[in-house]
Amino acid sequence: DSGVTQTPKHLITATGQRVTLRCSPRSGDLSVYWYQQSLDQGLQFLIHYYNGEERAKGNILERFSAQQFPDLHSELNLSSLELGDSALYFCASSPRTSGGGFFGPGTRLTVL
Amino acid sequence: QQQVKQSPQSLIVQKGGISIINCAYENTAFDYFPWYQQFPGKGPALLIAIRPDVSEKKEGRFTISFNKSAKQFSLHIMDSQPGDSATYFCAASRNNYQLIWGAGTKLIIKP
Repeated sequence: DSGVTQTPKHLITATGQRVTLRCSPRSGDLSVYWYQQSLDQGLQFLIHYYNGEERAKGNILERFSAQQFPDLHSELNLSSLELGDSALYFCASSPRTSGGGFFGPGTRLTVL
Repeated sequence: QQQVKQSPQSLIVQKGGISIINCAYENTAFDYFPWYQQFPGKGPALLIAIRPDVSEKKEGRFTISFNKSAKQFSLHIMDSQPGDSATYFCAASRNNYQLIWGAGTKLIIKP
């Protein structure tokens, strides 16, 4: 158990819908990273927040947005969902701005 | 120049054998090179990491070999076991910036 929690574990929704994925970092970690992993694919970095501020953006679509709240938990919002958005979404946390860190168990999103 | 190239894409090794996964990078400013292990349906977990001031780091059956002049680093898994079957990712970063990830290697250990 990495200490990073993600909810929900599974999410099934329809095209065009909007969903919110939630991540609670390890106690004391200020950085949260979001990644997308499609079936049998590598990790695609989406976005990084550090202590509430956006630090870096990767291959994140305009339909996707994220934020980190004062209690350091983070939410990833995915809107106008398409079939191709079906994937595992991971968040990771670390105490500093360095990447990687400790990964949560992921949210499996299925768009039908 | 930001890429990390990982090979092979997949690897099958007999139980007890040595598994070797290679990564190459271009950016000489990279100063942190971790390896992550991911089991199906789980998040990646940090396995072992190295900084460029050493050429080798060993933790149990896992060893990172680092060749600064060739800009390459590799993961060796000695006495490979079926429980090692997983996807392995290499990565690199500089100055504590975000990690640049390799594409992953799916390792299968045959009993």
